[in-house]
Amino acid sequence: AQSVTQPDIHITVSEGASLELRCNYSYGATPYLFWYVQSPGQGLQLLLKYFSGDTLVQGIKGFEAEFKRSQSSFNLRKPSVHWSDAAEYFCAVAMGKLTFGTGTRLQVTL
Amino acid sequence: DVKVTQSSRYLVKRTGEKVFLECVQDMDHENMFWYRQDPGLGLRLIYFSYDVKMKEKGDIPEGYSVSREKKERFSLILESASTNQTSMYLCASSPGGGGQPQHFGDGTRLSIL
Repeated sequence: AQSVTQPDIHITVSEGASLELRCNYSYGATPYLFWYVQSPGQGLQLLLKYFSGDTLVQGIKGFEAEFKRSQSSFNLRKPSVHWSDAAEYFCAVAMGKLTFGTGTRLQVTL
Repeated sequence: DVKVTQSSRYLVKRTGEKVFLECVQDMDHENMFWYRQDPGLGLRLIYFSYDVKMKEKGDIPEGYSVSREKKERFSLILESASTNQTSMYLCASSPGGGGQPQHFGDGTRLSIL
């Protein structure tokens, strides 16, 4: 069965610092990959998606993610974090149904 | 923009009640989904539907049922609410075809007393 692991439950970064959120998946083939963000009290918003082709994908709000087949990873990055980026981030894989990781909560200090 | 609307943001019900959570999408999407979200567990799929009057069990269907009488509306039903069903419930929709991203509503925080 497909699975998604987000090893970091909680991350704190300073505003202006770079950010990398980790995501590893387990599946035989290359699945469709997604990153979502959830602000407090809100639903999930799609940040970016990977289907095929270029392994570096750009998303909204200045985020990007890199697909690495050899590592079964799809890490999310942002060069300079803003205080408004504080939220919970979910990685998800789809091969048929969508399977979510357990999320990483990002705290941004000023 | 896709709009997925959940009828209530907050809901408080009593044990044993029959509870209805409603979800409407305005983009003519074929697929609709119900998840529950609990701290440390992420999102878990309860039920989904690929077409009108069609439903499929997700990972945790026990204690729930669904109804999809119209394409735009997908209802989640708690037949006899229990305290362990206190949770955040999220509805989502997506176009047909594989690998399409899902669009989410703002969620319903349900408390069962």
